[in-house]
Amino acid sequence: EAGVAQSPRYKIIEKRQSVAFWCNPISGHATLYWYQQILGQGPKLLIQFQNNGVVDDSQLPKDRFSAERLKGVDSTLKIQPAKLEDSAVYLCASSRIGQGLTEAFFGQGTRLTVV
Amino acid sequence: AQSVTQLGSHVSVSEGALVLLRCNYSSSVPPYLFWYVQYPNQGLQLLLKYTSAATLVKGINGFEAEFKKSETSFHLTKPSAHMSDAAEYFCAVSESGGSYIPTFGRGTSLIVHP
Repeated sequence: EAGVAQSPRYKIIEKRQSVAFWCNPISGHATLYWYQQILGQGPKLLIQFQNNGVVDDSQLPKDRFSAERLKGVDSTLKIQPAKLEDSAVYLCASSRIGQGLTEAFFGQGTRLTVV
Repeated sequence: AQSVTQLGSHVSVSEGALVLLRCNYSSSVPPYLFWYVQYPNQGLQLLLKYTSAATLVKGINGFEAEFKKSETSFHLTKPSAHMSDAAEYFCAVSESGGSYIPTFGRGTSLIVHP
């Protein structure tokens, strides 16, 4: 089966600019996650969707970050305006829900550099 | 609340030596546990998972991990390291019966010397 697709792979922007990332999960996966991975750290969950509803967005900086999954399939994560500390790899993952099948399949990520 | 602690940000071994990467977890309910590997400029790849079946879990590339409830540990081992094993390794915990949100440790960088 095809994996989780993310684009773009790399993005360089100036601070205070806006940026958007796109993710297409594995077909049939109801749950979609966006993670932020700062260099030298483990991934931190930003937001989790189940179908088109938000399950958890407690760690999403809502003053500048937004995410949507309008049709319950692909998703977009936006940062507006960007700050230097937003430089990180943004990982999208998807999973099924069910006993014994709980694992997240990750995309290759989008590396954002804010200068 | 769930959390993961990976002991040692860097582990260095010689090729052919035993690999041991340590992970301790905290969870208020029976956990699901995972090990992921991340090669440079790539996404995370699942190595193995524990979901309340056998406590000794075998994964890809010769890795295995043992769930020890009494020690709240899920250490990753491989009998003989290969140069291609050099990567970043992440332990993650997810609460069974909950929202299944995986929480990751900070990662351990495995360095393999020839």
